Amino acid sequence: AQKVTQAQTEISVVEKEDVTLDCVYETRDTTYYLFWYKQPPSGELVFLIRRNSFDEQNEISGRYSWNFQKSTSSFNFTITASQVVDSAVYFCALSEAYTGTASKLTFGTGTRLQVTL
Amino acid sequence: DAMVIQNPRYQVTQFGKPVTLSCSQTLNHNVMYWYQQKSSQAPKLLFHYYDKDFNNEADTPDNFQSRRPNTSFCFLDIRSPGLGDAAMYLCATSSLLSQGAHEQYFGPGTRLTVT
Repeated sequence: AQKVTQAQTEISVVEKEDVTLDCVYETRDTTYYLFWYKQPPSGELVFLIRRNSFDEQNEISGRYSWNFQKSTSSFNFTITASQVVDSAVYFCALSEAYTGTASKLTFGTGTRLQVTL
Repeated sequence: DAMVIQNPRYQVTQFGKPVTLSCSQTLNHNVMYWYQQKSSQAPKLLFHYYDKDFNNEADTPDNFQSRRPNTSFCFLDIRSPGLGDAAMYLCATSSLLSQGAHEQYFGPGTRLTVT
């Protein structure tokens, strides 16, 4: 069975601090996909990144960066120079390869990030 | 802009009174999903449509039904809402035209209150 663990329930930082959100996953599949989603107070889940199991290259997008390490089954997310607008709940999710009718997501329980001035 | 739209954003219904939530998309995606998200929890998949084929999750209560009359629209029907069905309901879409796993695009959600 697939499982995603986000051990940090809530993180509070002051604006401009760097912050890392941890994600650890479990799967028996050799091919799988990892995602991060952001859920601001408005409620909509916003897609941030997808990474497949064969691509361990780290990715950077502006202030966001992701570190994928298969050896530790982790897919961590770092926000550099955090801003108040980054305040949200962040979900890490895992999907097996497409097997027919859908790519089902297994979500972690989310990390609530609070960025204050 | 292409997007996933959910109406209404807030819905109040009475215990036991049927309610329908709607979702529409302009992305022309072939898969549509319905999730239930309770406070401080992760979204939980209720069911999905692959084109017109309905796929129910094993633990989705019979009280929850869905309809997809065309590619653009999908409805969530709750036949007899209980207090435990109060939650945010999220609609999502994805395009499964090839192998791999595809990101899902979510609507803003409908927050359901049961009184």
